[in-house]
Amino acid sequence: NAGVTQTPKFQVLKTGQSMTLQCAQDMNHNSMYWYRQDPGMGLRLIYYSASEGTTDKGEVPNGYNVSRLNKREFSLRLESAAPSQTSVYFCASSEAGGAGLLPQHFGDGTRLSIL
Amino acid sequence: RKEVEQDPGPFNVPEGATVAFNCTYSNSASQSFFWYRQDCRKEPKLLMSVYSSGNEDGRFTAQLNRASQYISLLIRDSKLSDSATYLCVGHTGGFKTIFGAGTRLFVKA
Repeated sequence: NAGVTQTPKFQVLKTGQSMTLQCAQDMNHNSMYWYRQDPGMGLRLIYYSASEGTTDKGEVPNGYNVSRLNKREFSLRLESAAPSQTSVYFCASSEAGGAGLLPQHFGDGTRLSIL
Repeated sequence: RKEVEQDPGPFNVPEGATVAFNCTYSNSASQSFFWYRQDCRKEPKLLMSVYSSGNEDGRFTAQLNRASQYISLLIRDSKLSDSATYLCVGHTGGFKTIFGAGTRLFVKA
């Protein structure tokens, strides 16, 4: 079972370049999330999608956009990458249960470096 | 004050030891809490949900203390394989889950 699949696994960008991180889940979950994790810090929520057709800002949304393409897929886009966006990005999903009350299942991350 | 704070660690313990982590949260309206385990350079994986009545799973026990606004994780009979970072997660309303920065545990032979 794939669970949550993220692509790519690794990426190096130059400042100002754009790219999209892809995430897909096969668990029929309604809710999906994007986090970033920096050294010595916990995961910080960038954006989330409570259900298909909706997206909302999390704790650190600046510099990012998201698209909930369908129930399975939730992409994260960096329009103009900056060195401060060098991080490990995790996508997660959870069943519908209202208000983030259920545990989340994570992809294995995208390691992004911006030079 | 951060919304979710954890003991910074690292905790260095011998095999067989009992170790406990605490995690405090600032939003008294928080309804649900979880402990995740994260191995080096890997994704977080759910370890335990934390219920009001406490929750036990083998060597692991999670407790919630609403009066003092903290959750705890107790690991008994530590194994080398328990070495990891343990993340607590609080829910502050809506879908905005807040992760603590994590507590690193090293179990040594």
